Amino acid sequence: DSGVTQTPKHLITATGQRVTLRCSPRSGDLSVYWYQQSLDQGLQFLIQYYNGEERAKGNILERFSAQQFPDLHSELNLSSLELGDSALYFCASSVVSGEGETQYFGPGTRLLVL
Amino acid sequence: AQKVTQAQTEISVVEKEDVTLDCVYETRDTTYYLFWYKQPPSGELVFLIRRNSFDEQNEISGRYSWNFQKSTSSFNFTITASQVVDSAVYFCALSSYTNAGKSTFGDGTTLTVKP
Repeated sequence: DSGVTQTPKHLITATGQRVTLRCSPRSGDLSVYWYQQSLDQGLQFLIQYYNGEERAKGNILERFSAQQFPDLHSELNLSSLELGDSALYFCASSVVSGEGETQYFGPGTRLLVL
Repeated sequence: AQKVTQAQTEISVVEKEDVTLDCVYETRDTTYYLFWYKQPPSGELVFLIRRNSFDEQNEISGRYSWNFQKSTSSFNFTITASQVVDSAVYFCALSSYTNAGKSTFGDGTTLTVKP
């Protein structure tokens, strides 16, 4: 158990709908990352937050948005869903030590858009 | 633009064999980070290592070792005395030093270790 939780584990919805994925980082970790893994696109970095602020942005669609709250949990909002948004969405939190940065991943949310 | 190439799509070995997973990258950055991740059949992602480009020392962690060669833009991963539990998809990734969170991933190498 990495200590990172993601809810829900599975989500089935229809095209055009909107969903929210939630991530709770490990206690004390300030960074949260979101990734998408699909058969077509492979593993892709979406966005990173650090202590509530956006730190890095990847190939995140305009229909997608994210935020990190004061308690450090993060939400990824996906709207106007398309079939191609079906994927596994991972979040990770990280800690920086003398040996560098280590990431810890949640179990993922599997999204199926029908 | 950054690019990571893992030319080996699938590798199959017998337990106790050593195996090397190749990773070649392209970047215009002079400083950058390189990563390896493991995704076992259960599906979770496991972070293995982050290495910065100005540290070319090889890294060893138990049966795992990483060989970083800036001259050939490669960051190869070797598993010594492989075990069935090493069966997984392994991803190599790259990010710039100034934008460390924004990673570019390779397509992954599926390693199967047979008993």
